[in-house]
Amino acid sequence: AQTVTQSQPEMSVQEAETVTLSCTYDTSESNYYLFWYKQPPSRQMILVIRQEAYKQQNATENRFSVNFQKAAKSFSLKISDSQLGDTAMYFCASTNSNSGYALNFGKGTSLLVTP
Amino acid sequence: DTAVSQTPKYLVTQMGNDKSIKCEQNLGHDTMYWYKQDSKKFLKIMFSYNNKELIINETVPNRFSPKSPDKAHLNLHINSLELGDSAVYFCASSQGPRTGELFFGEGSRLTVL
Repeated sequence: AQTVTQSQPEMSVQEAETVTLSCTYDTSESNYYLFWYKQPPSRQMILVIRQEAYKQQNATENRFSVNFQKAAKSFSLKISDSQLGDTAMYFCASTNSNSGYALNFGKGTSLLVTP
Repeated sequence: DTAVSQTPKYLVTQMGNDKSIKCEQNLGHDTMYWYKQDSKKFLKIMFSYNNKELIINETVPNRFSPKSPDKAHLNLHINSLELGDSAVYFCASSQGPRTGELFFGEGSRLTVL
């Protein structure tokens, strides 16, 4: 079974600053996907960024980037130039074929962006 | 045009009642899921269907019964509701191995009194 661990229940960052959210995972599969999802107060689940395990290059999406360390099974999310709208719960998740591509989620990190 | 839609968005009911939540996706995906998000925000998979066939059935009380009349619909029926069933229930669909990404509905908040 896959497990995903987010060790930071809450974090805070000032507007325009950079923040990094940590995530580690455990899997015996060789091919899998990793994700960061954002859940703002509206409770909608929004995909932030996706990484395929076989790709060595770290994924980036505008102000969001990941540091994917496959050997260490680490998948951290960096948010640059933080904006008030980034305030949300952030969930790290993994999936693979053995799980029927169901996402296994970490417990989440609540991020507060302050003015 | 909503990709994954759930109804109702909010549901308040008494213990012991039976209720259903409906889900529809217009993305053409083969696989659909039900997740439960508890009061601590933890998201846990409950069920998954692929082309109307049940492929994931996690440890969920048998009071919960999913039904998939076709691959675009996955409904969740809950019998004899208990206080602990209060949660937000999310429906999702997936392209599967192509991207692994799940597309979520807006969630249905169930409150059992």
